[in-house]
Amino acid sequence: LAKTTQPISMDSYEGQEVNITCSHNNIATNDYITWYQQFPSQGPRFIIQGYKTKVTNEVASLFIPADRKSSTLSLPRVSLSDTAVYYCLVGDRAGGFKTIFGAGTRLFVKA
Amino acid sequence: NAGVTQTPKFQVLKTGQSMTLQCAQDMNHEYMSWYRQDPGMGLRLIHYSVGAGITDQGEVPNGYNVSRSTTEDFPLRLLSAAPSQTSVYFCASSYSIRDSASYEQYFGPGTRLTVT
Repeated sequence: LAKTTQPISMDSYEGQEVNITCSHNNIATNDYITWYQQFPSQGPRFIIQGYKTKVTNEVASLFIPADRKSSTLSLPRVSLSDTAVYYCLVGDRAGGFKTIFGAGTRLFVKA
Repeated sequence: NAGVTQTPKFQVLKTGQSMTLQCAQDMNHEYMSWYRQDPGMGLRLIHYSVGAGITDQGEVPNGYNVSRSTTEDFPLRLLSAAPSQTSVYFCASSYSIRDSASYEQYFGPGTRLTVT
């Protein structure tokens, strides 16, 4: 199983750029890296997904080095509303199509 | 599109009771799954389905049954509720994962279950 490791929590201030790094040493060749955001009392919401190099959308950027053993979610100029838990997932195709969520990173944005 | 809907939103059960949590999606997604989330924890996969008539176990399947008779519906049945099953249950769906490694899932609003 392709497991992920993320920091348990991070603090930031409004207007700063936040980078959350995820380690996934056992990523398989065909696996994608996906990030979700979860607010309290809500289901997770898809943020961004990538396979290699860099992906950018209107919400975030995802940086993936050549060896793909880690990835970094970058949130530009965070606001208070970005306070949430962020999950990094790596696709698990071993024996099925299970998707495994780790403990996530709790980001707290301060004014 | 309503997306992924779950009913009920809240439920209180007594130990030993059984019930079914409903999940439906109107996006013609092949892949559906059930997760549970305990307070302050991440999500854990209970069961999943890659298409109608096909289901498989996730990380924590004990005490739960699922069936997938249609593409749209994926109910989760608690056989004999226990206090350890007190949790928030999320249903999710996705386009086919079978032919790709893309895992973008759409989540429902959750069902908050308390077992006393």
